[in-house]
Amino acid sequence: DVKVTQSSRYLVKRTGEKVFLECVQDMDHENMFWYRQDPGLGLRLIYFSYDVKMKEKGDIPEGYSVSREKKERFSLILESASTNQTSMYLCASSPPGTGRYEQYFGPGTRLTVT
Amino acid sequence: QKEVEQNSGPLSVPEGAIASLNCTYSDRGSQSFFWYRQYSGKSPELIMFIYSNGDKEDGRFTAQLNKASQYVSLLIRDSQPSDSATYLCAVNKGGFKTIFGAGTRLFVKA
Repeated sequence: DVKVTQSSRYLVKRTGEKVFLECVQDMDHENMFWYRQDPGLGLRLIYFSYDVKMKEKGDIPEGYSVSREKKERFSLILESASTNQTSMYLCASSPPGTGRYEQYFGPGTRLTVT
Repeated sequence: QKEVEQNSGPLSVPEGAIASLNCTYSDRGSQSFFWYRQYSGKSPELIMFIYSNGDKEDGRFTAQLNKASQYVSLLIRDSQPSDSATYLCAVNKGGFKTIFGAGTRLFVKA
């Protein structure tokens, strides 16, 4: 079974704080993703990574950065948290191989910025 | 036009009935199609994927793909109250990016 874990289920931070969200997968997947999910807006891709130290911007990268120093770990960083970043953050990983694009999600982190 | 469209629902069906969930997509180059189930407050869980035209069955679930008409559907036979959830349709064009629909809420009445 694929297992994707995220560092926190719930997080409360103050405006302006630097926030780190961590994601770890145990299936040797090359591809990892960060999404946010908001009511009425669905899942929106923030960043993805297809290899160690490689990253690509998704649809809404502004205000975020990422780090992938090891294959199993993909971190999302909110440089200076703002209230409009209050959301559910979901990490996913995807196996390598042509045609293998299914994604496996972690449990999510519900972040509240006050 | 959204790239992946789903009726938001809620779709309400009685226990034991067939639930039919539909999804349309705009890009004819799409190659891979997925259905995820998401319970309230939880993360999406992959339940089906389909790559070729036709039907694919897995237990009570059947995914149907029609590339000519650009739609994909999910049938749930013998629906149970535990099937009540939001179902997300997702489409991939062959690269790293997968587009998710906003989801259809399904309610199965006991």
